[in-house]
Amino acid sequence: SQQGEEDPQALSIQEGENATMNCSYKTSINNLQWYRQNSGRGLVHLILIRSNEREKHSGRLRVTLDTSKKSSSLLITASRAADTASYFCATEPSGGSNYKLTFGKGTLLTVNP
Amino acid sequence: DTAVSQTPKYLVTQMGNDKSIKCEQNLGHDTMYWYKQDSKKFLKIMFSYNNKELIINETVPNRFSPKSPDKAHLNLHINSLELGDSAVYFCASSPVPPSEQYFGPGTRLTVT
Repeated sequence: SQQGEEDPQALSIQEGENATMNCSYKTSINNLQWYRQNSGRGLVHLILIRSNEREKHSGRLRVTLDTSKKSSSLLITASRAADTASYFCATEPSGGSNYKLTFGKGTLLTVNP
Repeated sequence: DTAVSQTPKYLVTQMGNDKSIKCEQNLGHDTMYWYKQDSKKFLKIMFSYNNKELIINETVPNRFSPKSPDKAHLNLHINSLELGDSAVYFCASSPVPPSEQYFGPGTRLTVT
């Protein structure tokens, strides 16, 4: 069954603006991960945030995790045209196999030059 | 060097045929996975293997049979292909979980 649900489904912004994508999930998790997928390519891992962490940064990326609301957000600052891609959150459920990641449907981000 | 590679990149075949997709990783990871991404981009895990042993079989039809000859390879064989099998199949690998996963470029399977 689907665990993560990204919001919005699609987002279009101008270069230089910030982009925020949200992810909600249903069950308790060990960690939550964000991935990027360029058109026609495989997924690329961006950030992993553990259930006991609230915020994590990597370059222009900032991820927050609110386990009480079962939600996460991905912020991309000073966006570039090259950031155009689909972004997926993936959760590893707690109490189950940690060999299983459940992906959401993704947010399609378009950054216009 | 390609970290996770898959062959072929495209596969077009007719219903009822049997086909295989190969996956190799040169990252030294113990764990490998197969995912299916449908036309709406929904990505769902099919199998995961750790050190050549099956860990997860996510209610995949018996027509799909993964085979791991060694830790660096996880192949997917599909018997009696159906129209609904048309999708993009991704192989991935990771260190022992919990960890980030490294994806291959995908194999686009079209069943006509």
